[in-house]
Formats: sequence, structure tokens, C-alpha cells
Amino acid sequence: SAVISQKPSRDICQRGTSLTIQCQVDSQVTMMFWYRQQPGQSLTLIATANQGSEATYESGFVIDKFPISRPNLTFSTLTVSNMSPEDSSIYLCSVESSGDTNEQFFGPGTRLTVL
Amino acid sequence: KNQVEQSPQSLIILEGKNCTLQCNYTVSPFSNLRWYKQDTGRGPVSLTIMTFSENTKSNGRYTATLDADTKQSSLHITASQLSDSASYICVVSATGFQKLVFGTGTRLLVSP
Repeated sequence: SAVISQKPSRDICQRGTSLTIQCQVDSQVTMMFWYRQQPGQSLTLIATANQGSEATYESGFVIDKFPISRPNLTFSTLTVSNMSPEDSSIYLCSVESSGDTNEQFFGPGTRLTVL
Repeated sequence: KNQVEQSPQSLIILEGKNCTLQCNYTVSPFSNLRWYKQDTGRGPVSLTIMTFSENTKSNGRYTATLDADTKQSSLHITASQLSDSASYICVVSATGFQKLVFGTGTRLLVSP
């Protein structure tokens, strides 16, 4: 299994500002993902963070709003830009194991509230 | 369309009782099915992963079943504890696709 930490664990931000969320894994992983979980909803994939190249975004998510960095195989950041109250969610980092079942492990999440 | 549906949406049971959560999926081609437990304010934690050839898998008091023919899975919790209060999410993986398909979860409350 992988141990994943995220910073910050929670934050309250003003609309129009940006927040960068950090994700650190205790081992090198190839696949790293960012998810959003809106209140009362299940997880929605934002993007796949690719090491050494631009992230791959899902439909409805764009790089200008959610820029992602992946400088190495153990670290990634997600920035939520020009925030609005609709961005209030839990943001989760996830990594995929290299085993047969490609199990995914999730970080503890970052709870973001935008006022 | 790849979908995962869970029932019930929420459930309240008394401590010590058993319960069963349901998951129906239409994901194809099927690779594996996972059950996650998500405590409030935390990230999901894996309980079980089952491939096509597995029809039951246990993890302590949690037992998952899979019927690949009817595309149904269940998660049975035995002798529930207060700490079992959480959301339980069914997630299905399709062969050849990295993207997982998430159910909306069942919110379980175990009452003393």
C-alpha cells in the first residue's frame, strides 16, 4: 500500500483567490490522480497527473482553472484558481499501485470552503 | 453508458446488527470491483477488490460478493460497530480504461 499525505487538510478562502494543494506519496508511483468530491456526492476525476508532461484533464475540467504540477514520481500539486463558492469541495489525491488489480489509494483529502 | 448504482442511499442500524449494501453496475468490459469505506472528512479506504473470477472476498467483518453474470455485488457487514458509521462506495474498473466508475455510495449510521 501507499501512504499519501495532503496539505492543507482544510482551508477557507475568499472568492477570486487561488489555493494550491500538495500531495506527497511515500513511494514512487507512475499514476497519480486528482479527484473532487462535492458535498453529498461521490468522487469525480479531475485529471491524471503525468510526470514530465502536461496533465490529462477530464471533460468539464480545464488547465486554466485547475493547473497541475508533477515534478517527480512522489509529489504533485493541484491549484484551484479564481475560486468561487461552487468550488467548495473535498479535493483528493490518489495513486495507483503497480499490481495486477491496479488498486487505488487515496489521500486524506483537502476540505475547501470558498466564501 | 458505464454506471454504478448503489442501494440503499442511506441506512440506520443498531449496533451489533448485520446489514447488506447493494451495488449494480453496467461497466463493460469488466475488470474488477472495489468496495471503499469513507469516514466523514477522510479519503476512501479500500475494503476489498474482486476480479471476474472471484465471487466472494472477506476483510474481517466485511464480506463482499460478486455475481458477474447479473452484474451485482453486495457488501455484508457482520456485528456492526459504531466505527462502521461511514459511506461505503462501490467502484468498478473497466479493462483497458484507467478511469474508475464510482457509485454514489451508501451512508451507514450505526446507532448505539
